[in-house]
Amino acid sequence: QVQLVESGGGVVQPGRSLRLSCAASGFTFSSYGMHWVRQAPGKGLEWVAVKWYDGSNEYYAESVKGRFTISRDTSKNTQFLQMNSLRAEDTAVYYCARDTSAAEGRGAGYFDFWGQGTVVTVSS
Amino acid sequence: DIQMTQSPSTLSASVGDRVTITCRASQSISSWLAWYQQKPGKAPKLLIYEASSLESGVPSRFSGSGSGTEFTLTISSLQPDDFATYYCQQYNTYPYTFGQGTKLEIK
Repeated sequence: QVQLVESGGGVVQPGRSLRLSCAASGFTFSSYGMHWVRQAPGKGLEWVAVKWYDGSNEYYAESVKGRFTISRDTSKNTQFLQMNSLRAEDTAVYYCARDTSAAEGRGAGYFDFWGQGTVVTVSS
Repeated sequence: DIQMTQSPSTLSASVGDRVTITCRASQSISSWLAWYQQKPGKAPKLLIYEASSLESGVPSRFSGSGSGTEFTLTISSLQPDDFATYYCQQYNTYPYTFGQGTKLEIK
């Protein structure tokens, strides 16, 4: 069965960095684009970033562009989110989510499987 | 960015009621819209994609409609398990964006 397990969250001071991981299993990881979506405490969902299934393209929300980098290691079936210059407003639960469509350019654009989330708290 | 606006923000209803949630896009997104259900402390669950296609395994009491800028999610007969928060999401253009959510409460 499809599983996505995030890790790497924690408490970090403003301006510091953190790297999140999402370990995938139960499907051919290299065939799917993968996204990060976050949810601040008590707030709604915010799409953060995507990396296409073939690694050819990546896109970011304006709020994280230039600070966050999405990457993937297909040999380890894992995707990452490198978060630099963290701000208090980055405090959230971070979910990784699988794009529904396999091996199709930008993918379908919606998400059929989600991880359980990892909590990032940016505070001094 | 495309802004997604849901209404109402909160909806009180009873088991057996028919309810409708509206999602409006700030510009046309064709039918590139999904709906998710989220319960407290859990990841969202995909209900509807391409505005009106029901995800496999989702009960048929859920339905979606609309195109362009106006969309609706309808639950034909509320069940106790349906009390949750619902989000729409556009995937017409990057950055993808979500509505602010509609919390469905028990009356």
